[in-house]
Amino acid sequence: GAGVSQSPRYKVAKRGQDVALRCDPISGHVSLFWYQQALGQGPEFLTYFQNEAQLDKSGLPSDRFFAERPEGSVSTLKIQRTQQEDSAVYLCASSLAFGTQYFGPGTRLTVL
Amino acid sequence: EDQVTQSPEALRLQEGESSSLNCSYTVSGLRGLFWYRQDPGKGPEFLFTLYSAGEEKEKERLKATLTKKESFLHITAPKPEDSATYLCAVQAGGGSNYKLTFGKGTLLTVNP
Repeated sequence: GAGVSQSPRYKVAKRGQDVALRCDPISGHVSLFWYQQALGQGPEFLTYFQNEAQLDKSGLPSDRFFAERPEGSVSTLKIQRTQQEDSAVYLCASSLAFGTQYFGPGTRLTVL
Repeated sequence: EDQVTQSPEALRLQEGESSSLNCSYTVSGLRGLFWYRQDPGKGPEFLFTLYSAGEEKEKERLKATLTKKESFLHITAPKPEDSATYLCAVQAGGGSNYKLTFGKGTLLTVNP
């Protein structure tokens, strides 16, 4: 069966550019999470959706980060005016309510 | 604040040499403790969920156990294909945010 998919898998941006990262969750999963993983570290929570409602965005590092899930399915994480410190792997996960979270392959963002 | 500490940071074993990975945690009411495996360039792959102290789960050469303060991932007679980073995460009880708090992981290398 289809798992969580993310696109693009790799993104190179020049400092100051805007980027948009896409996540397609497992069909029927109401919960969707975004995590940021720096090299050699564990994933860190960014934001959480239940259907289309963004219930927690406390992990977003700055107001340059914005996430949406307008129809309760696909989600987009947008980063405006990218900085070098934004370079990381961005992981998306989905679950049935509070159950096990299944992760996508991630998008590796490199900001030059 | 929820915290997860994994040890050791890296572990090198010979094929067939059994060992254990440790995950110590502090959380405001545990809803679940999760173990994931992560291969280079991929997203975390779900292994186990443990919900209460004394619970154990097994899958092939892996066995996860849980106490009130820590979890162990026991690896019996490992094979080179078990080489990966093993991540531990906790999900706090209460509220409606089901985010995971991860440790930094243990990088396991199994030599033939």
